[in-house]
Amino acid sequence: AQSVTQPDIHITVSEGASLELRCNYSYGATPYLFWYVQSPGQGLQLLLKYFSGDTLVQGIKGFEAEFKRSQSSFNLRKPSVHWSDAAEYFCAVGAGGATNKLIFGTGTLLAVQP
Amino acid sequence: NAGVTQTPKFRVLKTGQSMTLLCAQDMNHEYMYWYRQDPGMGLRLIHYSVGEGTTAKGEVPDGYNVSRLKKQNFLLGLESAAPSQTSVYFCASSYSRQGRDADTQYFGPGTRLTVL
Repeated sequence: AQSVTQPDIHITVSEGASLELRCNYSYGATPYLFWYVQSPGQGLQLLLKYFSGDTLVQGIKGFEAEFKRSQSSFNLRKPSVHWSDAAEYFCAVGAGGATNKLIFGTGTLLAVQP
Repeated sequence: NAGVTQTPKFRVLKTGQSMTLLCAQDMNHEYMYWYRQDPGMGLRLIHYSVGEGTTAKGEVPDGYNVSRLKKQNFLLGLESAAPSQTSVYFCASSYSRQGRDADTQYFGPGTRLTVL
């Protein structure tokens, strides 16, 4: 069965520091992979997704993620974090089939220190 | 273009009461989904629909019913609310599985429900 693991429940970084959020997935075929961000009290916004092709994916707000098939990972990175990046981040994998269902990880809550 | 909207934004129910949450999308998406979000558990799929008049169970369907009478609307019903249904509910929609936009779901702002 497909699954997504986000091993870090909570991360704190200083403003201006680099960021890497981890995501590992379990999926039998080539997956569709997503990162969503949820600001406090808001819905989820798509940051980026991996569909096929280039394994380094660029997203909005200066984020990028790298698909590594050998490690079953899709880690999210940002070179310099801004205070406005404080939010919860969810990794998700497309569950396959004809329904576009997504399997979400449990999320990583990012706090940004001034 | 409002995207995905949800009503109401907040609701407090007593145990045993019923209510319906409304989701509407104006993107002409075929697929629609209802999730619940609980601390430490991410988003879990309750029910989904791949087209008008069709619905299917997701991961946690018990205690909920859904209907998709119109393509743009997806209703989530709680017939007899229980405290375990206290959660934040999100609706999402997507195109059918074709092309590079396949699988991308667009989310509404959520409904925060408390059952006392």
